[in-house]
Amino acid sequence: GDSVTQMEGPVTLSEEAFLTINCTYTATGYPSLFWYVQYPGEGLQLLLKATKADDKGSNKGFEATYRKETTSFHLEKGSVQVSDSAVYFCALRTTGNQFYFGTGTSLTVIP
Amino acid sequence: DTAVSQTPKYLVTQMGNDKSIKCEQNLGHDTMYWYKQDSKKFLKIMFSYNNKELIINETVPNRFSPKSPDKAHLNLHINSLELGDSAVYFCASSQVGMKPGNTIYFGEGSWLTVV
Repeated sequence: GDSVTQMEGPVTLSEEAFLTINCTYTATGYPSLFWYVQYPGEGLQLLLKATKADDKGSNKGFEATYRKETTSFHLEKGSVQVSDSAVYFCALRTTGNQFYFGTGTSLTVIP
Repeated sequence: DTAVSQTPKYLVTQMGNDKSIKCEQNLGHDTMYWYKQDSKKFLKIMFSYNNKELIINETVPNRFSPKSPDKAHLNLHINSLELGDSAVYFCASSQVGMKPGNTIYFGEGSWLTVV
C-alpha cells in the first residue's frame, strides 16, 4: 500500500550546519509530496510541496526535489538556525486524495 | 482569520468522563479529518468526513464518535475516557479534487490529559 518512510530522529545540529532529512515513499500513480513542520506547542504547517517528478519545492531556505526514479523527497537546508528546531513530517497525497504522513523527525539546533 | 480552529486547546479530565472537541474550518473545504498524535509525535488518522459522510474510520474504539452538523464543522465526542486517550488531537481539512498539490490544513491541536 501507499506509505511514507522518513529517517528517525532525533537530529541535533549546531547552528549553520547542513541539514538533510531523508524521505522515501511508496505509491501508485503520481502522488503529490509535502513537507510539514510542527513547532513546539503548535499544529502542522505546510513547509513546501512538489506535485510532479523533478519539481523542487522551496520555502524559508528549505528545499526538496521530487525524485521519481528513487521515490524520494529529501528535505535539505544549507544553514540551519535555532528557530528551525521543530518536528518535520514528510507526507504524500495520492491520486485518490488520501494523505499519508511519515513518523516525523525531531530537529534540535543548538547555538 | 484562523483557517481551522478547534476548541478547547487544553483539556484535563478524569477517567470515565465524556468530553467533546469542536472544530470549524472557514476554507470552504469539503473534507475534514481528526488525527491523534501520541507522545512520540506519531500521527494517526482517526476519521475523515467528505461532504458530511464518513469515508475513513480507522480502527479506533467506538467510544470515539465524530459528528458533522455541516461541512464546515467536525466535532469529536469521546465517551468513557481512559488514561490511554491522553494525546494531542488535531482537526484538519482539505479540498478533495483533481488539482494536484491540494494540501491539508491543520488546526492548532487540542491537548487532552486524562487523570
